[in-house]
Amino acid sequence: AQSVTQLGSHVSVSEGALVLLRCNYSSSVPPYLFWYVQYPNQGLQLLLKYTTGATLVKGINGFEAEFKKSETSFHLTKPSAHMSDAAEYFCAVSEGAGNMLTFGGGTRLMVKP
Amino acid sequence: SAVISQKPSRDICQRGTSLTIQCQVDSQVTMMFWYRQQPGQSLTLIATANQGSEATYESGFVIDKFPISRPNLTFSTLTVSNMSPEDSSIYLCSVASSGRQTGELFFGEGSRLTVL
Repeated sequence: AQSVTQLGSHVSVSEGALVLLRCNYSSSVPPYLFWYVQYPNQGLQLLLKYTTGATLVKGINGFEAEFKKSETSFHLTKPSAHMSDAAEYFCAVSEGAGNMLTFGGGTRLMVKP
Repeated sequence: SAVISQKPSRDICQRGTSLTIQCQVDSQVTMMFWYRQQPGQSLTLIATANQGSEATYESGFVIDKFPISRPNLTFSTLTVSNMSPEDSSIYLCSVASSGRQTGELFFGEGSRLTVL
């Protein structure tokens, strides 16, 4: 079985500040890990993913995440928040290509001017 | 990648009625997944739809309530039967990439249902 925990259902940062969204997972096999973003009234868009190889992965819109096996974590960061980053962010895990995704509870990011 | 179209994009339904959501993909895919996103919540997998076989339902979801069809490799439907206000959610269709599997799922825009 696999599960995902996102610490903090709501995170508020100032524009230009560091964004850190936390994600911890459990998986019985080497995981595939994902971050998705959902803007209001829209579907989910993939930000980035980790499958194998380099543990620091870069995604769209300046986001990156680091897979830390020892900590079972896959935290999402961005050095400088922009107003347009305000959205809901979901961390997800799967057991490999073609498999279902299990999602965390989501974190709503708010960016203050 | 895959482009997924869902219909309807939103609907308001009366208690006790049923509604069928359609999902069309622009390429052939083996597995399609139906998720539910209740208001303010995360995504929960309802079932996996495989072409040519019965859908596989997750714990808490049953075929009588959420019958699924998968007539070919590019299309699926999800019916929400005998709806109650608790069924008010966004229902999302998703697929893995066709061809080389890269792990991620692609999602439609979702169907937002409100049950009165």
